[in-house]
Amino acid sequence: QVQLQQWGAGLLKPSETLSLTCAVYGGSFSGYYWNWIRQSPGKGLEWIGEINHSGSTYYNPSLKSRVTISVDKSRNQFSLKLSSVTAADTAVYYCAREGTAPGTRWFDPWGQGTRVTVSS
Amino acid sequence: EIVLTQAPEFQSVTPKEKVTITCRASQSIGTSLHWYQQKPDQSPKLLIKYASQSISGVPSRFSGSGSGTDFTLTINSLEAEDAATYYCHQSNSLPRTFGQGTKVEIK
Repeated sequence: QVQLQQWGAGLLKPSETLSLTCAVYGGSFSGYYWNWIRQSPGKGLEWIGEINHSGSTYYNPSLKSRVTISVDKSRNQFSLKLSSVTAADTAVYYCAREGTAPGTRWFDPWGQGTRVTVSS
Repeated sequence: EIVLTQAPEFQSVTPKEKVTITCRASQSIGTSLHWYQQKPDQSPKLLIKYASQSISGVPSRFSGSGSGTDFTLTINSLEAEDAATYYCHQSNSLPRTFGQGTKVEIK
C-alpha cells in the first residue's frame, strides 16, 4: 500500500522560502502525478501544482510566480519550494498522488500534512 | 478556473438521518467530480470517485450522483463516526479546484 510521508520547516519569517519534501513508499513512482495542496482557514483547500516522474510540471496560476516543484526519481521523492512567503501562506500543506490515465484523476493517498506558519 | 460551490456549509444531523450535500460546478465537468471526507487533524480521505463510483473500504451508506454541473453526496443513516467536513473536487481541467466544504455535526 502506497504511503506518502512529508517533512519540512514549520515556522518561517516573511520573505523566506518554504521548502517541503514528500517521499513515496510502497508503490511505483512513475505513471502518476505528484501534487501539493494546501489548506488554510481563509481559503479552504487550494491546489498548488503537480509534477510527474519525468519532471513535467503545472502550477496554479495564482501561485505560479513563486512556486517550484521538483522530483528526485532516485529517492522517490518530490519537493515544493514557495518563495517570498507572507502570512497569507500560513496553512497546512499536503502532498498527494493523482493518476495520469483517464479515469484515474483523483487524489489518493495524501501525506499526513505539514503545518507551516509564517510570522515575524 | 472552475469554481465549485457546496451547500450547505454546515449541517447538524441526528444519527440515522439522511444527509445530502450538493456541489455545483461553474461549468460542465462531465463526471470528473470526486468527494473527500476530512476529520479533525486528519488528511482528506477519498470517499467517491467520478461522481458515483464507490471506493473499496468506504461504507455503503456513502453514495454519489450527478453529472454536468450538479452533483450530490448522500449519507444514508448517518453514524457518529461520520462527523467530518466533506469536500468536492474537480479533475476536469487545470487548475484543480475544491468546494469550500460542508461540515457535518452530529446532534
